[in-house]
Amino acid sequence: EPEVTQTPSHQVTQMGQEVILRCVPISNHLYFYWYRQILGQKVEFLVSFYNNEISEKSEIFDDQFSVERPDGSNFTLKIRSTKLEDSAMYFCASSEGAGSSYNEQFFGPGTRLTVL
Amino acid sequence: AQSVTQLGSHVSVSEGALVLLRCNYSSSVPPYLFWYVQYPNQGLQLLLKYTSAATLVKGINGFEAEFKKSETSFHLTKPSAHMSDAAEYFCAVSEIPSYDKVIFGPGTSLSVIP
Repeated sequence: EPEVTQTPSHQVTQMGQEVILRCVPISNHLYFYWYRQILGQKVEFLVSFYNNEISEKSEIFDDQFSVERPDGSNFTLKIRSTKLEDSAMYFCASSEGAGSSYNEQFFGPGTRLTVL
Repeated sequence: AQSVTQLGSHVSVSEGALVLLRCNYSSSVPPYLFWYVQYPNQGLQLLLKYTSAATLVKGINGFEAEFKKSETSFHLTKPSAHMSDAAEYFCAVSEIPSYDKVIFGPGTSLSVIP
């Protein structure tokens, strides 16, 4: 069964460093998402991406964050200068479609980011 | 604005007992509603969804949920708990025009006592 994969499973970085979290969405999916879950808190929407553009972003997704689909398979989330409060589990998701009708989002296993 | 509340951050049930996890939502328009499950150290798995068809929705692993518009609720139930049901459960909502933006509740941790 096709699934969303994410690498690495755990990333440890120093405050101020740049990190790139990688995701491989399901191959025929066109819409991609990032969510994060701070330890003990709820899952929060960060950004949705379609046709090489951000379609929606939350207030969390500030100038420190960027997303990219560098090739036909990967979808990345970059944090330019990490802060302690960026420590969280980051989930990637993908769907066939989006917008005005339901399209199931399939989630990856997550990348745990620890900022020291 | 959409929001989701889940009553009880932690619920314990005995094996074989009824599971009831509560979810209430606020939405200005008919929403789509979801329950996701997260097993330890794993990602989010969709249990079931309501997308304006039947109000009683059946999902995987014997779970079901009923959409009650008058109560703005979407409670999750399972007649008989199994040890393998121990996990974190998230209720979630999305609505027009941003059906692609899923808003999650705070989660309920379910423990099953042998």
